[in-house]
Amino acid sequence: GNSVTQMEGPVTLSEEAFLTINCTYTATGYPSLFWYVQYPGEGLQLLLKATKADDKGSNKGFEATYRKETTSFHLEKGSVQVSDSAVYFCALSLRRETSGSRLTFGEGTQLTVNP
Amino acid sequence: IAGITQAPTSQILAAGRRMTLRCTQDMRHNAMYWYRQDLGLGLRLIHYSNTAGTTGKGEVPDGYSVSRANTDDFPLTLASAVPSQTSVYFCASSPLGAPYNEQFFGPGTRLTVL
Repeated sequence: GNSVTQMEGPVTLSEEAFLTINCTYTATGYPSLFWYVQYPGEGLQLLLKATKADDKGSNKGFEATYRKETTSFHLEKGSVQVSDSAVYFCALSLRRETSGSRLTFGEGTQLTVNP
Repeated sequence: IAGITQAPTSQILAAGRRMTLRCTQDMRHNAMYWYRQDLGLGLRLIHYSNTAGTTGKGEVPDGYSVSRANTDDFPLTLASAVPSQTSVYFCASSPLGAPYNEQFFGPGTRLTVL
């Protein structure tokens, strides 16, 4: 079956620190990979995505590279801000152009950035 | 309406009662989904619908039912609520056939079953 494993949290950093949140996956087939972010009291929002091996997704200073050889999609940001405090979810979806998407999520990683 | 709306925002419910969570989207997306979010477990798919008139079971469907009478609405019903159904419920939608399979989420319903 399909599964996503994220590094255990919570993660607490100081402002301007470097962030890495690890994500690995298992899948039958060739999945699309996503990072979603959930700010306090809100629903999930797509942060970035990658659809094939070696693709790099990026948005708002965050980056993640689809690594097929290590089945990983680690999230990185060079300098975090207090406003980045949120829960981050790694997810995969098998490419299904006619039957809709079925997202499989990791457990989520709580990030707190202190000023 | 812009995007996905859910109602109610939160609810406290006695065990054994029936409850329907509402979800409406105005993006004309074909596919819709219901997830539950529990601490340490991420989001788990309850039911989904690829298009109006069809539904399917997700990872944790027991105790829940859905219907999809039209494109915009996708209600989730708990026929007889139990405390283990205490959770935050998220509705989502996506355009069928989108190659990147991005989903758009509502703000969630926080349900407590006592």
